[in-house]
Amino acid sequence: KAGVTQTPRYLIKTRGQQVTLSCSPISGHRSVSWYQQTPGQGLQFLFEYFSETQRNKGNFPGRFSGRQFSNSRSEMNVSTLELGDSALYLCASSWGNRQMNSPLHFGNGTRLTVT
Amino acid sequence: AQSVAQPEDQVNVAEGNPLTVKCTYSVSGNPYLFWYVQYPNRGLQFLLKYITGDNLVKGSYGFEAEFNKSQTSFHLKKPSALVSDSALYFCAVSRTFSGGYNKLIFGAGTRLAVHP
Repeated sequence: KAGVTQTPRYLIKTRGQQVTLSCSPISGHRSVSWYQQTPGQGLQFLFEYFSETQRNKGNFPGRFSGRQFSNSRSEMNVSTLELGDSALYLCASSWGNRQMNSPLHFGNGTRLTVT
Repeated sequence: AQSVAQPEDQVNVAEGNPLTVKCTYSVSGNPYLFWYVQYPNRGLQFLLKYITGDNLVKGSYGFEAEFNKSQTSFHLKKPSALVSDSALYFCAVSRTFSGGYNKLIFGAGTRLAVHP
């Protein structure tokens, strides 16, 4: 079974630009979660989508948004990029039960550098 | 409110010695607890989880973790460390947020360095 696929692996953008990251979950998984990982803040939850609906949202500004398609693939978008948005963005998929007691399966991430 | 804490930024251990990576949690009710490992330039890999039942949970690569309700801890252990175990380890807890759906909250991570 193919794992979680994130594209692209690396991105370099300049301040003020916008970026879209893509995530293809494991086949059959309906939940996709996004995390931001930085050395200073660690792993921060961005949002979770289940069956095309956002179920949970972290404490990030409105510049961070996402969506999920009917095939469970997900995208996240960051507009008006800031230097502080430089991070590893991780996507994770799971069966998505309410209690979230099944493991998350992570992709290898997209490394975003904002200059 | 902090949900999971990993008190050590780094743990150093000699190859062949037992290792422990500490984790404490603070959630109400019955916690769902997880350990993940991250190698350089990779995503997180699931190691093991505690949902209910036996307090000693066995996972991948010879790792195990002990759930201790009275101490609210879920320490990761391995009887004999390998150099290849050197990585970043994350403890996580599933918490209920508004809307009634849980999400995984991660600790800050502990870097494990196993020396030959």
